[in-house]
Amino acid sequence: DAKTTQPNSMESNEEEPVHLPCNHSTISGTDYIHWYRQLPSQGPEYVIHGLTSNVNNRMASLAIAEDRKSSTLILHRATLRDAAVYYCILSGGSNYKLTFGKGTLLTVNP
Amino acid sequence: NAGVMQNPRHLVRRRGQEARLRCSPMKGHSHVYWYRQLPEEGLKFMVYLQKENIIDESGMPKERFSAEFPKEGPSILRIQQVVRGDSAAYFCASSSRASDTEAFFGQGTRLTVV
Repeated sequence: DAKTTQPNSMESNEEEPVHLPCNHSTISGTDYIHWYRQLPSQGPEYVIHGLTSNVNNRMASLAIAEDRKSSTLILHRATLRDAAVYYCILSGGSNYKLTFGKGTLLTVNP
Repeated sequence: NAGVMQNPRHLVRRRGQEARLRCSPMKGHSHVYWYRQLPEEGLKFMVYLQKENIIDESGMPKERFSAEFPKEGPSILRIQQVVRGDSAAYFCASSSRASDTEAFFGQGTRLTVV
């Protein structure tokens, strides 16, 4: 499975934007970049995914580097409810499994 | 449209008993995945099923664990003769196709073996 590298933790203030980076230098042409998050004591929650172009949805934006070797999840205005572990995962083609790494623990300060 | 439903939410079993965990995927989803999360650890893939077929069980222990996804009814993860080390949160996810789409997770079943 192609691997991703994320910082262990990040901190943000409420109502400020948050940029969560992810490196995936061994990404293959068929891999989609997925982001999930897990709030305490809950199941993972889908955030966003993309292939080559930047993506926006009601939760977040995904900025994908031109060479696709890195991406950034953007939360435009962090709230306390966004405090969670964020996982960047590659999946696509014959690689259908979501392989969760350690993710980034996001702390949001009031 | 209800999300992925898992039951029970909490399950306590004595060592040596059987545990049955149920997962009802979202309506229209034929792909089901089971994951296990040990305390203070990450989620580990266990098994991937597509209606009546096990596609990939590479993450599932060879003994005592089995999974099924019958034509009618929920997917079942079965753990026979449970041991303390089986205590974990078990999450089920479903999707409408295999890889290039979002997966929806249930709230999990927290198994405690006493």
